[in-house]
Amino acid sequence: NAGVTQTPKFRVLKTGQSMTLLCAQDMNHEYMYWYRQDPGMGLRLIHYSVGEGTTAKGEVPDGYNVSRLKKQNFLLGLESAAPSQTSVYFCASSYDGDFYEQYFGPGTRLTVT
Amino acid sequence: AQRVTQPEKLLSVFKGAPVELKCNYSYSGSPELFWYVQYSRQRLQLLLRHISRESIKGFTADLNKGETSFHLKKPFAQEEDSAMYYCAPHNTDKLIFGTGTRLQVFP
Repeated sequence: NAGVTQTPKFRVLKTGQSMTLLCAQDMNHEYMYWYRQDPGMGLRLIHYSVGEGTTAKGEVPDGYNVSRLKKQNFLLGLESAAPSQTSVYFCASSYDGDFYEQYFGPGTRLTVT
Repeated sequence: AQRVTQPEKLLSVFKGAPVELKCNYSYSGSPELFWYVQYSRQRLQLLLRHISRESIKGFTADLNKGETSFHLKKPFAQEEDSAMYYCAPHNTDKLIFGTGTRLQVFP
């Protein structure tokens, strides 16, 4: 099993450009999450999904959109990138939202110039 | 407001010294609590969770409901313990991560 994979690993965008980050998991997990990690800020939840076809806002959702059309995939979109969105983005999944472990992807390093 | 605080950004110790990484939370109800760890060039991964009452890699964490703390402890630190540690209370379908503490263990 590959676990949680993220595409791409690195990306540089110019301000105003758009892009989509793909997260895929092969563990048949119901819950999926997108975080951003910034120095001194820890991990902050952007959006999450409790099942196929559902999405919900996290702590810092502004400037991002998500979709969960298939259970195994969770897409994070930036419609008009801003320098403040320069960060490392992590995807995670879990079997359940209660007390189950979250499994993390390797991260995507995004730079917006 | 629900909040988790890890007061130390960096904790440096020598090999063999005891380690305590502090975590305080401000939550309504009784959240489940987790510690996650990120070693250099590795993915973030679960270290331990309160509900399991387990000791992983020599680490333990005691929940003190009176002080609303969930400090992570290890009696004798090893160089391979050097990593970033995150305390994460669970809140209705999601984890809320603290800002993390970087542990450096010197030889």
